[in-house]
Amino acid sequence: AQRVTQPEKLLSVFKGAPVELKCNYSYSGSPELFWYVQYSRQRLQLLLRHISRESIKGFTADLNKGETSFHLKKPFAQEEDSAMYYCALSGQGTALIFGKGTTLSVSS
Amino acid sequence: GAGVSQSPSNKVTEKGKDVELRCDPISGHTALYWYRQSLGQGLEFLIYFQGNSAPDKSGLPSDRFSAERTGGSVSTLTIQRTQQEDSAVYLCASSLTGGGYEQYFGPGTRLTVT
Repeated sequence: AQRVTQPEKLLSVFKGAPVELKCNYSYSGSPELFWYVQYSRQRLQLLLRHISRESIKGFTADLNKGETSFHLKKPFAQEEDSAMYYCALSGQGTALIFGKGTTLSVSS
Repeated sequence: GAGVSQSPSNKVTEKGKDVELRCDPISGHTALYWYRQSLGQGLEFLIYFQGNSAPDKSGLPSDRFSAERTGGSVSTLTIQRTQQEDSAVYLCASSLTGGGYEQYFGPGTRLTVT
């Protein structure tokens, strides 16, 4: 069965500290993995996708097929990174399967 | 250009009543999705429309839930005989086509069943 697991409901860090939001997935084929973010009072929006191999707002995520993981990382957290982060998976032509989300709180 | 819009933004209804939630996708997007966002459950897929293909209804939680998409554009999600557990934020998203394209989300409709 397709599944996305985000083990942490809440992650609290201090400004300038490294951040890693964990995501593990279960999928029998070759999935596409995404991170979506929802800032306070804003719409859910795409942060990055594995196929682009890009860095957005200092965040990166590497797909590790051996560990079936797609962890989101940032070396130095900023207060404006505080938001809800969702990891999501898409199979071939299917809708997204989301994890339950991790709230990132960055304090000064 | 205009993003995905949803109406109403808030809906309070009594248990047992029917409700209709509307979604206007981005013009030209052939794929449209409905999700439910509730505390502790994250984002739950409900239904997916892709062009003229039969919709993927595999996420609908019960036969009280249904959705249609008219003319390949506007979509309506209908919940019949609402229950308190239906209270949630219902999100609509659209994308250029299905699969790995970026999904653009609407602001959501907050449904409260009393």
